[in-house]
Amino acid sequence: DAGVIQSPRHEVTEMGQEVTLRCKPISGHNSLFWYRQTMMRGLELLIYFNNNVPIDDSGMPEDRFSAKMPNASFSTLKIQPSEPRDSAVYFCASSLGQGADGYTFGSGTRLTVV
Amino acid sequence: SQKIEQNSEALNIQEGKTATLTCNYTNYSPAYLQWYRQDPGRGPVFLLLIRENEKEKRKERLKVTFDTTLKQSLFHITASQPADSATYLCAQEHGGYSTLTFGKGTMLLVSP
Repeated sequence: DAGVIQSPRHEVTEMGQEVTLRCKPISGHNSLFWYRQTMMRGLELLIYFNNNVPIDDSGMPEDRFSAKMPNASFSTLKIQPSEPRDSAVYFCASSLGQGADGYTFGSGTRLTVV
Repeated sequence: SQKIEQNSEALNIQEGKTATLTCNYTNYSPAYLQWYRQDPGRGPVFLLLIRENEKEKRKERLKVTFDTTLKQSLFHITASQPADSATYLCAQEHGGYSTLTFGKGTMLLVSP
């Protein structure tokens, strides 16, 4: 398996633009997570999907953020409109079940909003 | 609210020594704790899980302990090597959905 695949690896965008981050989880994993990492706050959970259904989105900062999982092999995280404070590394992770066997993370998308 | 804390200062040790990293949590004891390794520009990689009813777990040169009285987990790397240099993250299951909350990590630097 190629692991969790995220795209793009890097994204530089201007404030106010829409940004879409993509994730392909490991086949057979039924849980998917989006995290954001910054130096100040570390890794923060944004949203958790189980069997393609959003279960916990309490970490989504505000209405500018939205996430979808139309099928078991694809998820998107969208920011519209983007702001400089959204600059961070965004990770997607997947796991079998709720993660007692550990999460598998993608390589992340480094987002810079100027 | 539940917090998970790791020493923010980097740990510098000589090759061959044992590295010990600390993870402290507040309030309730989680059902399990996990440890991850993160290299620059990469996502975290799962290393070990220890459950609250386990005092110790080993995997090759790695050892994790879980002390529910002290509300602490220790992560040991024996016979450390420069290739062990990375940031190590502690994580605990949290909340009704048992998703993971991560500490900010401790950077380990192993000198030859």
